Amino acid sequence: EIVMTQSPLPLSVIVGEPASISCKSSQSLLRSNGYNYLDWYLQKPGQSPQLLIYLGSKRAPGVPDRFSGSGSGTDFTLRISRVEAEDVGIYYCMQVQQAPRTFGQGTKVEIK
Amino acid sequence: QVQLQESGPGLLKPSETLTLTCTISGGSISHYYWSWIRQSPGKGLEFIAYSNDGGHINYNPSLESRATIALDTPRNQFSLKLSSVAAADTAIYYCARLNILSDIYYHVFDIWGQGTVVTVSS
Repeated sequence: EIVMTQSPLPLSVIVGEPASISCKSSQSLLRSNGYNYLDWYLQKPGQSPQLLIYLGSKRAPGVPDRFSGSGSGTDFTLRISRVEAEDVGIYYCMQVQQAPRTFGQGTKVEIK
Repeated sequence: QVQLQESGPGLLKPSETLTLTCTISGGSISHYYWSWIRQSPGKGLEFIAYSNDGGHINYNPSLESRATIALDTPRNQFSLKLSSVAAADTAIYYCARLNILSDIYYHVFDIWGQGTVVTVSS
């Protein structure tokens, strides 16, 4: 199965400042159709995960535009342009390239 | 607005069979894929299985020998059975809907239940 590796695992951020999370896959997530089969989810404290980004860079409906996804192949990044207090939680990348879907370990974001 | 609610036993003994049910409200079970995912401190988030009402089923190979997912269309519910449980199966179990978000037939987990805690202990 494809192994997903995130860094950093804990991330302390300042409100209003940018933040970024890296996700690397053990195999390429790029398909011949030009899309990267990678999603990003956020699990807020006490809640279930919620979809932020799909196909590597497409924002899910209702997701603020301060969130963006980039990267291709095996290296991906989730960026928050200006962190808000409500962005705390655990961020997960998940590959959809190959069954079974597998998740990264999660990056816990807290406010400094 | 579609909502999912898991229900289950909470506590089981090793070697027993876990049975979980996910009840769908505010929408139909038809025309979607439905899945189970679990979260444990040791293994993080782990996909278990998905199925649709057309009989298309997919399991995580690591759990395939013990897991059974089934849809109950008249009741608008789906279930997970996991046999021969052990302490390693202790986790929060989520049900989730897989929905198409792109014209390339790409499915995402767009709706999740709140999760149900399952503990395996003698």
